[in-house]
Amino acid sequence: AQKITQTQPGMFVQEKEAVTLDCTYDTSDPSYGLFWYKQPSSGEMIFLIYQGSYDQQNATEGRYSLNFQKARKSANLVISASQLGDSAMYFCAMRGDTGNQFYFGTGTSLTVIP
Amino acid sequence: EADIYQTPRYLVIGTGKKITLECSQTMGHDKMYWYQQDPGMELHLIHYSYGVNSTEKGDLSSESTVSRIRTEHFPLTLESARPSHTSQYLCASREMRGNTEAFFGQGTRLTVV
Repeated sequence: AQKITQTQPGMFVQEKEAVTLDCTYDTSDPSYGLFWYKQPSSGEMIFLIYQGSYDQQNATEGRYSLNFQKARKSANLVISASQLGDSAMYFCAMRGDTGNQFYFGTGTSLTVIP
Repeated sequence: EADIYQTPRYLVIGTGKKITLECSQTMGHDKMYWYQQDPGMELHLIHYSYGVNSTEKGDLSSESTVSRIRTEHFPLTLESARPSHTSQYLCASREMRGNTEAFFGQGTRLTVV
C-alpha cells in the first residue's frame, strides 16, 4: 500500500527566510515518483517539483528544492527566500509503479509573515 | 501552462438535481482523474481512466459516475445531488508513460442546498 504522511498541519515563516515542509512516504514499489503541489486559496493545484526514486541528485526548481532521503523515505520540500505569495497549502504526492494513481498527503498550510 | 479546463468553477444547486461537471484537456493525455477535496483537506481519488472507454473507481466511494468517450473529455455526473456532495472536485490528466506530473484543472466548487 502507498501512503504519504505530512505531519505539519500549519507552518509559519518570516518573509525572505527558508522553510522546510516535511513529507514521508511508504511504498513497496522499487520505482516511484514523488511530487509537490501548491494549492493557493483559489483552489487550483500547481505542480512545483518532481523527484524520481532512482535520481541520484536532489531535484531543484528555482526557489524550490527537494531534500530526498531514500533510506529514511522522506522527501521534504525546501522553499528558499519565502515570499508572501508562497502562502498556500502544500501537498506531497507519490505515484508508484504498480498503480496509476497519485496518492496525496493531508497537506501543510504555509503562511508567510511580512 | 496546463491545458485542462473545468466548468463550471462554482455551482450551487438544489437537492435531487442531476448535474454534470465538465473536464476537458487538450494535451492528448490518456490518463485522467477526478479527485474530491473538502476545504483544507487531502485529495481523495474517486474515478480515473486509462483512455477511451476505460473508467475505474478510485479509493473513495462515490455516488458519481464518469464516462470517457473521447480522449479529451472526462465528465463527472451526479444523478441526484445531496448536501453531502458539497465539496471541491478537481480533474487532472497526465501522460501514459513515465513518472510525469499530473496537470490539474482549476476545480469546481459544488454546493448542494
